[in-house]
Amino acid sequence: NAGVTQTPKFRVLKTGQSMTLLCAQDMNHEYMYWYRQDPGMGLRLIHYSVGEGTTAKGEVPDGYNVSRLKKQNFLLGLESAAPSQTSVYFCASSFKRDYNEQFFGPGTRLTVL
Amino acid sequence: AQSVTQLGSHVSVSEGALVLLRCNYSSSVPPYLFWYVQYPNQGLQLLLKYTSAATLVKGINGFEAEFKKSETSFHLTKPSAHMSDAAEYFCAVIPFESSASKIIFGSGTRLSIRP
Repeated sequence: NAGVTQTPKFRVLKTGQSMTLLCAQDMNHEYMYWYRQDPGMGLRLIHYSVGEGTTAKGEVPDGYNVSRLKKQNFLLGLESAAPSQTSVYFCASSFKRDYNEQFFGPGTRLTVL
Repeated sequence: AQSVTQLGSHVSVSEGALVLLRCNYSSSVPPYLFWYVQYPNQGLQLLLKYTSAATLVKGINGFEAEFKKSETSFHLTKPSAHMSDAAEYFCAVIPFESSASKIIFGSGTRLSIRP
């Protein structure tokens, strides 16, 4: 089992450019999440999905879009990157039961110049 | 709104000393509680979780945490620190009324171990 994987590991963008981060999990989890991690702020939820074809907004959704076309994949898109989106992005997944722990990917470090 | 407070953004202990990382939550109904650890340049890994079965929870790597409802606390301890324990630790909750296992994270505590 690879668990949760993220592509790419690092990326540098210029302001206004777009990109997509890919998250894949092989644990047959229903729930998937995207977080951003900034110094001193813990992890903040961007968007999440409770199943294939569904998405919902989290705490900090502005400037991001997501899609869950396949159960095992959860994509995070930045249409027009801004310096404020410089962060480390983590994907996580969980079984379809409330109060279950989440399993995290290794992260993507994104810098927007 | 539910929140999690971790006291101390940085804790430094000597190797072999007691580790104590503090976490308090705000809720009138006990939530589900977690401690995650993040080693440098890695994702988060579950250390332990409280789901109301027992107030003292044992986790991996010799860590344990005690749920105290009267103090709304869930502090993490380890009797004897090891150099490999150096990492960032996050306390987290899933509020009782939450859906989709949405977690609220504390701001984290960086643990340093002195030789």
